Amino acid sequence: GEDVEQSLFLSVREGDSSVINCTYTDSSSTYLYWYKQEPGAGLQLLTYIFSNMDMKQDQRLTVLLNKKDKHLSLRIADTQTGDSAIYFCAESEANFGNEKLTFGTGTRLTIIP
Amino acid sequence: GAGVSQTPSNKVTEKGKYVELRCDPISGHTALYWYRQSLGQGPEFLIYFQGTGAADDSGLPNDRFFAVRPEGSVSTLKIQRTERGDSAVYLCASSLGGGGRITGELFFGEGSRLTVL
Repeated sequence: GEDVEQSLFLSVREGDSSVINCTYTDSSSTYLYWYKQEPGAGLQLLTYIFSNMDMKQDQRLTVLLNKKDKHLSLRIADTQTGDSAIYFCAESEANFGNEKLTFGTGTRLTIIP
Repeated sequence: GAGVSQTPSNKVTEKGKYVELRCDPISGHTALYWYRQSLGQGPEFLIYFQGTGAADDSGLPNDRFFAVRPEGSVSTLKIQRTERGDSAVYLCASSLGGGGRITGELFFGEGSRLTVL
């Protein structure tokens, strides 16, 4: 079945860039996503990328996709304390109308003041 | 409210008991999903509804788990003869379902934390 892997922890100094990495196994993945989970809050979609793209930028967020290596990364520029959260990579085959996602284990991002 | 609402937020039960978890999706969202998140893990898919019908229940771990959505809105996840291994946060998500917008934009509730003693 599909598998999505991430490193569990990342610590970054405030103001630096954070890079969170993810690898996936399903070559038929159509969409790849980054979700954010803060304590006491539901998962929130941050950004997504379609599999025929290799980069997407959205304000402080940059997503890079290497489809050949099945590697996805999320870069957060100028990391702030409010970015502290768990970040989940997810993929789907996007069968029309079924947005069933396979999530990674999540990367806990800690900001060092 | 405007978001996905789940009740109860916390449920403690004894092994062998029956549990119901409720999800109230965003109004107008036709698709509804249940996920289970164990400690230190990412959410795992359980079941997906499109309208009233379960379109994909391949993630339900065994026949002790069942979910319904009789009127195409509120859904209930039912767990019979609970076991300690069922302890997890059960997440509900909804979406508009299907074309015309990005897929994968699921709106999650805060979850129901189930503890089986």
